[in-house]
Amino acid sequence: DGGITQSPKYLFRKEGQNVTLSCEQNLNHDAMYWYRQDPGQGLRLIYYSQIVNDFQKGDIAEGYSVSREKKESFPLTVTSAQKNPTAFYLCASSMMSTGEGEQFFGPGTRLTVL
Amino acid sequence: QQQVKQSPQSLIVQKGGISIINCAYENTAFDYFPWYQQFPGKGPALLIAIRPDVSEKKEGRFTISFNKSAKQFSLHIMDSQPGDSATYFCAATSSGSARQLTFGSGTQLTVLP
Repeated sequence: DGGITQSPKYLFRKEGQNVTLSCEQNLNHDAMYWYRQDPGQGLRLIYYSQIVNDFQKGDIAEGYSVSREKKESFPLTVTSAQKNPTAFYLCASSMMSTGEGEQFFGPGTRLTVL
Repeated sequence: QQQVKQSPQSLIVQKGGISIINCAYENTAFDYFPWYQQFPGKGPALLIAIRPDVSEKKEGRFTISFNKSAKQFSLHIMDSQPGDSATYFCAATSSGSARQLTFGSGTQLTVLP
């Protein structure tokens, strides 16, 4: 069953702690993306990666870090430098080499800072 | 300018009615315009998409109308059903941007039974 999985579904963090959100895909997609969603706002791009071992900052990368050591995996770390991390985080992937590169989204992780 | 402006923010429609959501963009390099549907607590799912070389695309009850000269596009949901109640996002992308999606702010649609 192909798709994108994100874990955990819910995550609670104390202020000052780093946390890592998992994103895995078995669609053999080249590109992967991380978005942040806040109430009443559209999705904003945090980081994206088109190939293994390479990634670029999106519009709101400050306070976040990523890695892309495997094609299937693109974990996102929310660091203590992120001032307002409470949000719904969405991972997506796409096949860059075909068509318009339709993005498929995972189910999301809701992060709450206590 | 990368922004995509979406309206209205919320929309309430009676069952069987037509839901219309509008989006406008500035960047003429955009060449693909998808619409996503998102249910609460879930990730967005692609609903329908259009390229600017056509003025309309229809898939079942969902239609995109595209006005290239005005840089506007809209989603029409015919015969709206309570199961259509969700948040809808328009988006835009270009081949020169690694296919990054620029999203509108979303429209929360409620279809009353």
